[in-house]
Amino acid sequence: AQSVTQLGSHVSVSEGALVLLRCNYSSSVPPYLFWYVQYPNQGLQLLLKYTSAATLVKGINGFEAEFKKSETSFHLTKPSAHMSDAAEYFCAVSEPESNFGNEKLTFGTGTRLTIIP
Amino acid sequence: NAGVTQTPKFQVLKTGQSMTLQCAQDMNHEYMSWYRQDPGMGLRLIHYSVGAGITDQGEVPNGYNVSRSTTEDFPLRLLSAAPSQTSVYFCASSSIGRGDNSPLHFGNGTRLTVT
Repeated sequence: AQSVTQLGSHVSVSEGALVLLRCNYSSSVPPYLFWYVQYPNQGLQLLLKYTSAATLVKGINGFEAEFKKSETSFHLTKPSAHMSDAAEYFCAVSEPESNFGNEKLTFGTGTRLTIIP
Repeated sequence: NAGVTQTPKFQVLKTGQSMTLQCAQDMNHEYMSWYRQDPGMGLRLIHYSVGAGITDQGEVPNGYNVSRSTTEDFPLRLLSAAPSQTSVYFCASSSIGRGDNSPLHFGNGTRLTVT
């Protein structure tokens, strides 16, 4: 069975400061990992994904994440926060070796990011 | 390019009423799914489908039915609504395959309140 744990349901950072959102995963096989962003009253949009190629993955809007197998982590970072980054962020995992592993995602509980002017 | 379209955006039901949440996609995606989003619980998979005529249960299927008569449409039915089904419902679709395939595309959600 697969699962993800997002540490911190709410994170606040000052504009221009480093953003760090934490995600740890549990999977019985090498996983695929994703970060999605949800802006108010909208659906989820893909920020970036790890699919067993490079362990440092770059996404949209200046975000990146590093897959660390030894720590079972996939933390999301951005060097300098912008007001437009305020949203809810979800980490998700799939097991590509299982049936429809690419499509059946298990989501974390989400982290709401607030940017302080 | 419409993507994934969900209707209605908002709905209020009384306990015991039935209704259907509509989902349509125009990307010719084989895979479609329904999630519910509740505070502090993230998104949980209700049902999914890998093609017309094929559906399967996700993590929280009780109280919901689905069907997939066409590639484009994947409606979610609540036969007898309960307050515990108050939630935001998201439909998502993608192509099927291994490797660097397309990610899940989400609709904008349906906010359902059951009183």
